Amino acid sequence: DTEVTQTPKHLVMGMTNKKSLKCEQHMGHRAMYWYKQKAKKPPELMFVYSYEKLSINESVPSRFSPECPNSSLLNLHLHALQPEDSALYLCASSPILGDFTYEQYFGPGTRLTVT
Amino acid sequence: QKEVEQDPGPLSVPEGAIVSLNCTYSNSAFQYFMWYRQYSRKGPELLMYTYSSGNKEDGRFTAQVDKSSKYISLFIRDSQPSDSATYLCAMSANDYKLSFGAGTTVTVRA
Repeated sequence: DTEVTQTPKHLVMGMTNKKSLKCEQHMGHRAMYWYKQKAKKPPELMFVYSYEKLSINESVPSRFSPECPNSSLLNLHLHALQPEDSALYLCASSPILGDFTYEQYFGPGTRLTVT
Repeated sequence: QKEVEQDPGPLSVPEGAIVSLNCTYSNSAFQYFMWYRQYSRKGPELLMYTYSSGNKEDGRFTAQVDKSSKYISLFIRDSQPSDSATYLCAMSANDYKLSFGAGTTVTVRA
């Protein structure tokens, strides 16, 4: 089973709200990722967790706060977002073997609208 | 110059035709090569991945990698209207980061 699940599918939030996006995978992958994708553009990497530790933060504003509670779950906490943060937020996971990472599997995404 | 170049199209073909997609890249450190299919407003779906030069076939899909020319291709045989989507090439130098092409929008006409 190569499935990554994400909830919610859609989210509309005001600029003063706090919300969270959730991601889950049961493939035993030890690397998990958050991406942001704008219309007609490829995904842009935001964060990488490897072995449940944050290993890459691509200079993402602090209004986005990732969390990895365990090896299967990944959250993205949102606070005080701007309208330009409206996008499709994608979670992905990949296996790690030794020092090597392999192909990434993406979830269906959460479509976020900030009003 | 972008690290990965992919013609965004759009590409329109009749049903049953062979769809040919390609990407070129400049970073010789790339070791892993992937093709993703993305339907409108959905997440990318991994179609093919390969770690070496040569051909890899899976059903109607064939991926080719030529590391000496820094060129990868995806061929879709007997294309169907359900193949209409955006196809993204992606590659990695084993550092968790994927470098994506711009994506090619493909329409298969019934």
